[in-house]
Amino acid sequence: QKEVEQDPGPLSVPEGAIVSLNCTYSNSAFQYFMWYRQYSRKGPELLMYTYSSGNKEDGRFTAQVDKSSKYISLFIRDSQPSDSATYLCAMSDSGGYQKVTFGTGTKLQVIP
Amino acid sequence: EPEVTQTPSHQVTQMGQEVILRCVPISNHLYFYWYRQILGQKVEFLVSFYNNEISEKSEIFDDQFSVERPDGSNFTLKIRSTKLEDSAMYFCASSTGSSYNEQFFGPGTRLTVL
Repeated sequence: QKEVEQDPGPLSVPEGAIVSLNCTYSNSAFQYFMWYRQYSRKGPELLMYTYSSGNKEDGRFTAQVDKSSKYISLFIRDSQPSDSATYLCAMSDSGGYQKVTFGTGTKLQVIP
Repeated sequence: EPEVTQTPSHQVTQMGQEVILRCVPISNHLYFYWYRQILGQKVEFLVSFYNNEISEKSEIFDDQFSVERPDGSNFTLKIRSTKLEDSAMYFCASSTGSSYNEQFFGPGTRLTVL
């Protein structure tokens, strides 16, 4: 079983839709959870991070973590064409200097 | 807004040649990382570096790879004898080392080995 599993998509939605992106993980040591956005041939850009179960909201983005189920989600409300990118879930087993383990990424296209 | 920078943006080399990829991390960050992403695959951790020494390395980071912080601003990744399978995007990242481990990534160097 892979440490981090993420549906690669692609996911295509109309502008204004609610998008749900999901990851599962197998390593119980993971404590910090992140979502990165990556445009084609660019570096990952940190969108959100959280370290506790529950929801964290930032504008149109909500990150959700369920440690008991080893499941994390990112919700995008009122999706915009500019949200079209690949979304990477990522996690690490502690803060500080620990390596980050990434999912394979979900490619999202928001159609105007 | 401070950002991680990387040079060159694209490097083409012949198999067996040495390459050095350069990064300038964010100035007040203490931890530095290299990751790579083979086309169509996930971002993979290579190495982390703190206080002038390697903190952790993956199984990918074998003897042909080395890292160095030659001065107060640059952080380099050297590949001694490149192989075809080293072709990938290489990302440098840096963090303060705080509890939340926010790692900020550079734009990447695309390495093509012919």
